[in-house]
Amino acid sequence: KAGVTQTPRYLIKTRGQQVTLSCSPISGHRSVSWYQQTPGQGLQFLFEYFSETQRNKGNFPGRFSGRQFSNSRSEMNVSTLELGDSALYLCASSLEIAGGGSYGYTFGSGTRLTVV
Amino acid sequence: LAKTTQPISMDSYEGQEVNITCSHNNIATNDYITWYQQFPSQGPRFIIQGYKTKVTNEVASLFIPADRKSSTLSLPRVSLSDTAVYYCLVGDRDRDDKIIFGKGTRLHILP
Repeated sequence: KAGVTQTPRYLIKTRGQQVTLSCSPISGHRSVSWYQQTPGQGLQFLFEYFSETQRNKGNFPGRFSGRQFSNSRSEMNVSTLELGDSALYLCASSLEIAGGGSYGYTFGSGTRLTVV
Repeated sequence: LAKTTQPISMDSYEGQEVNITCSHNNIATNDYITWYQQFPSQGPRFIIQGYKTKVTNEVASLFIPADRKSSTLSLPRVSLSDTAVYYCLVGDRDRDDKIIFGKGTRLHILP
């Protein structure tokens, strides 16, 4: 079956612009999480969506936002881009099983965002 | 999520068995232990998960002692392509809705 698809794969933006990244989860997965990865900070949790509702949010400024559609596809938006927003943005989906306790997430290959 | 401690980096040679140990002294009763592998510029990949004793799949084995305060990921006969960062995660998905990644262990396989 198809994995988690993230588009675009690479993106170059200018400071002050905004950007929208897209994530299509594995079919049937309703939970989508977003992460930012930089060499200095490692993998940092941005937010998680489940059934179109944001369920968890990491410690990022309000310039970072997201949403999830009824087909579970998710988008994240970063407004007023800063040089420090240059990073690999990763999306992960999971199949929630009540009582499963599992962290069996599937990650996409990410979107490499460069802010110049 | 329980706090985990793992070595920052490890070196090994092709064909060797590699064991990466993760300490998690405050693991809770319902917590699972999960390992991910990440190659440069790719997303982490789920390797193996366990609750107690030993779990084995086609990629690795996971050894968990009776007190569950540590776990060891074992990679048999590594190759150069096993060079990656390995993350140990401990938690209960029903309680903690997000994964918090630590720094991981950077494994470097030498020819």
